[in-house]
Amino acid sequence: NAGVTQTPKFQVLKTGQSMTLQCAQDMNHNSMYWYRQDPGMGLRLIYYSASEGTTDKGEVPNGYNVSRLNKREFSLRLESAAPSQTSVYFCASSETVNEKLFFGSGTQLSVL
Amino acid sequence: SQQGEEDPQALSIQEGENATMNCSYKTSINNLQWYRQNSGRGLVHLILIRSNEREKHSGRLRVTLDTSKKSSSLLITASRAADTASYFCATDARNNNDMRFGAGTRLTVKP
Repeated sequence: NAGVTQTPKFQVLKTGQSMTLQCAQDMNHNSMYWYRQDPGMGLRLIYYSASEGTTDKGEVPNGYNVSRLNKREFSLRLESAAPSQTSVYFCASSETVNEKLFFGSGTQLSVL
Repeated sequence: SQQGEEDPQALSIQEGENATMNCSYKTSINNLQWYRQNSGRGLVHLILIRSNEREKHSGRLRVTLDTSKKSSSLLITASRAADTASYFCATDARNNNDMRFGAGTRLTVKP
């Protein structure tokens, strides 16, 4: 049972490049989330999907887009990467919204 | 802005001692959760306490919630070196639907 799987684990981008972070869960959870973690800041919510077919902005959505492809998959896209988006990104899922989140192992992204 | 704030930012204790971490938050909540993060890893859920609960236990963990003071505490009893990690509180605020995390307490347990 893999839980929450994120790819890639590491990525280096140049300013202005685009990329998509992939996330999949195999626990049949309804809700999925994307967080970013910066030193000393804790985790900040970028976007979440309370259920399949819905997405909502979190605390720091600017510069990101998301797609809830199906119940299992929730992707995060950076259209034009900026150095301020250098961070560690975590995907998470839960059976119902905001109840016991299960996290992936993270993607370390550097934007030069 | 962060909803929950942990205190202290860092805590260093000897193996076998108890560790207490505190979390304060600003608005009314539905629930409060505690998570652990080992260095370089994802967060792991420890315990969830609802706004109508005052205390909860799970193994060596004890969580209290005081909604009048908008605060919670996490107690780890008989700590072990393996408890070394960062601990985060997260709150599910009633006035919005996103869960906010604090900046965490870095706990070091010395063998």
